Amino acid sequence: GAGVSQSPSNKVTEKGKDVELRCDPISGHTALYWYRQSLGQGLEFLIYFQGNSAPDKSGLPSDRFSAERTGGSVSTLTIQRTQQEDSAVYLCASSFTSQGRDTIYFGEGSWLTVV
Amino acid sequence: AQRVTQPEKLLSVFKGAPVELKCNYSYSGSPELFWYVQYSRQRLQLLLRHISRESIKGFTADLNKGETSFHLKKPFAQEEDSAMYYCALRGLAGGTSYGKLTFGQGTILTVHP
Repeated sequence: GAGVSQSPSNKVTEKGKDVELRCDPISGHTALYWYRQSLGQGLEFLIYFQGNSAPDKSGLPSDRFSAERTGGSVSTLTIQRTQQEDSAVYLCASSFTSQGRDTIYFGEGSWLTVV
Repeated sequence: AQRVTQPEKLLSVFKGAPVELKCNYSYSGSPELFWYVQYSRQRLQLLLRHISRESIKGFTADLNKGETSFHLKKPFAQEEDSAMYYCALRGLAGGTSYGKLTFGQGTILTVHP
């Protein structure tokens, strides 16, 4: 595709349910990032995948959050037992290296509402 | 630890006026600094990076290591500049924190006609 694709674009779920958010990075991009954008909180780093290296999970807020990247391409962010404070826009981004510079491209985000 | 601070959540100026969006950072080492912009109903996109030393849409930003700042400036603001602006930091390639892009809380710029 032409850009980073995320699905669903909007998700309303009941408190306590599990949700999965999907990210299709730009073809050929080796790095993939997940961020959370909350009102008044800015952009919060969640997790970063780079090639076959172990992911940087230092931003995951709790053990209810997990992410995987299959085949070095598609990634799924899973939130178990959702809470109302999980409501936010979840942004995925991917990057490649061009002339030694790493350009990061963002998706449009998945808007999660926990009711 | 790396941290980015944008002290202004909201900034309003009139068209044609100069604008400066402030960004201060904390990082033990040599960082790479960026400004990202998100226009209404559009995805977040890169505006400029300090390494390129370029001017994009009339915006410039200079890295001041002494003051640990990377303020975004434009001499004459336009209505189409109204957007959310994020300052971001990343460690240089080869370092342990390379890849982890840390963002500030963002500044909403409104340019009035």
